Formats: sequence, C-alpha cells, structure tokens
Amino acid sequence: GQQVMQIPQYQHVQEGEDFTTYCNSSTTLSNIQWYKQRPGGHPVFLIQLVKSGEVKKQKRLTFQFGEAKKNSSLHITATQTTDVGTYFCAVGQGAQKLVFGQGTRLTINP
Amino acid sequence: GAGVSQSPSNKVTEKGKDVELRCDPISGHTALYWYRQSLGQGLEFLIYFQGNSAPDKSGLPSDRFSAERTGGSVSTLTIQRTQQEDSAVYLCASRAAGQETQYFGPGTRLLVL
Repeated sequence: GQQVMQIPQYQHVQEGEDFTTYCNSSTTLSNIQWYKQRPGGHPVFLIQLVKSGEVKKQKRLTFQFGEAKKNSSLHITATQTTDVGTYFCAVGQGAQKLVFGQGTRLTINP
Repeated sequence: GAGVSQSPSNKVTEKGKDVELRCDPISGHTALYWYRQSLGQGLEFLIYFQGNSAPDKSGLPSDRFSAERTGGSVSTLTIQRTQQEDSAVYLCASRAAGQETQYFGPGTRLLVL
C-alpha cells in the first residue's frame, strides 16, 4: 500500500528560528494533506495540496508540493511557542483512506 | 454538535475485559474513520465506514477488534479481551462527501492494566 516517509522525526529549535519538515513518497501522489497535533490534542487539518509544484502560505507557514508530486514540505518561518506540536503529512490510499506519515515533533526553546 | 465527539475521554480497564468506545461524527458526514495512536507515535488506521458500503476493516490488528456504525451516524469500536498493548489513544474522524479533509475528535485514552 501507499507509504510516505516523513523526516525528521524530531526537531528542536530556538524561538525565532525556522523549521522544515519533509514528506517523501516513492510513488506519485494525487494529493497530500498536512495536519498539526498539539501536545495532548488531536490532529487538526491545516491544508491540502493537489497541483504539481503548488505552493500555499498560511501566515508564517509555507507548504510546497513537488513538481513530480512525490514529495512535500512544510516550512515555518520565525517559529513561535504556539507552533509546538507534531506535524503530520497524509496521503490518500485507495478510496478516501489516508495514510499518515510518522510525524515530526517540534519543540521550541523560548 | 459542531465537531466530532468521542466518549469516554478516558478509560482504564483491566486486562481481559471488553471495552466500547463511542464516536459521534459531524452531522451529515458520510465517512467515518477510526485510528489508534500509541504514545509518541503516528496514526494507525483501523477501520473506515462510507455510507452504506461494507466497511474497510483492513487496519484492524486482530479479531478482538470490531466496529459498528448504526444508521450511518454513531460508531462504536469494541475491543474484546483487552491486552496491555491495546493501551493507546483511539481517535475517530469524519469526512463530508466529496471532501478530502478529515475532522478528528478529541480521542479516547485507553489504559489497560
């Protein structure tokens, strides 16, 4: 079945530094979604990317979908303590079933 | 309600007991999913319901796990003869027809002693 590898597994940064997490697939993806899970919370949808080379921004967050639609990244500029959490990518498998990456846990030193 | 709700929020049980976890999806959402998340881990797909179609049970880890969705709305995940390795957060999500986004509930934290 569809698998997606997400790196890094953990990332610790100083507040104000940038952060990036990557998702990679060996097969072409129809779309990719990103979710954020705060500590003790549940995953919350952030965005969906569909088009090759697509770039979307949400304030300090920039999401990219690769030209070959096999990889994606989430970049946070100038992290803030509210950015703490685990970021998951998710790709569709079969009829509307999502396969989640293992997630990147972001911690921030204020 | 406005979002997906799950009950109980926490459940402590003894090894060998059966447990039932409940999910109330967003009203009108046709698709419902169950996931399991062990401490510090990713989301493990368990089962998926879509309308009146037969559920996709491909993620259920053993025959001790089963789920129902009655009337196309509320769903119950049942774990029989619980084991300590069943301890995890069980998350439910729902999705509207024609949409890709899944909306997650707060989860049920299950601890098997």
